[in-house]
Amino acid sequence: AQTVTQSQPEMSVQEAETVTLSCTYDTSESNYYLFWYKQPPSRQMILVIRQEAYKQQNATENRFSVNFQKAAKSFSLKISDSQLGDTAMYFCAFPPLGNNDMRFGAGTRLTVKP
Amino acid sequence: DTGVSQDPRHKITKRGQNVTFRCDPISEHNRLYWYRQTLGQGPEFLTYFQNEAQLEKSRLLSDRFSAERPKGSFSTLEIQRTEQGDSAMYLCASSLETANYGYTFGSGTRLTVV
Repeated sequence: AQTVTQSQPEMSVQEAETVTLSCTYDTSESNYYLFWYKQPPSRQMILVIRQEAYKQQNATENRFSVNFQKAAKSFSLKISDSQLGDTAMYFCAFPPLGNNDMRFGAGTRLTVKP
Repeated sequence: DTGVSQDPRHKITKRGQNVTFRCDPISEHNRLYWYRQTLGQGPEFLTYFQNEAQLEKSRLLSDRFSAERPKGSFSTLEIQRTEQGDSAMYLCASSLETANYGYTFGSGTRLTVV
């Protein structure tokens, strides 16, 4: 089965601190892509970061970085220097076999506190 | 290009009525996807188009649901004989070629069936 699991329904962090959101997935493929999406309250979902499974180097986008552990099928998102605008639902996702569509986890609701 | 547009943003309908939603993808994107998202959950795949061809439909897409993408441009999603269980956010997304490139999402259409 091609599944995505986010085990943290809710998390909170103080402004300027660092937080890590967890994601595990299941796939039989060797080459694939992984994504983190952010959905702010009442706003559209946007792509945060993308990781190619065949690349060993972890992807980074400004304050956002991933810890990709292929053998463990783990793909966590680290947010450094958290800002109030980071408050949102965060979804881990990947396209299963055939790359036809994206499968999403249940999401983690992150609240950044002032 | 203003991104992915969805219309209407909100729709309230009585049970048993038909509703139709529209999605305008990014013009150079070949693929268009429809997802459904209920409160506190991740998006669930409904169907996708490669240009004008509907290539995959989820089991979630009952016979009351139909989607079209004439001429490979905008798409419509129609729900016939709406039920209260159809209440959800309906998300449209588009991508260049495959889902491996990541999606660009629209703002969604929130459907409430009363």
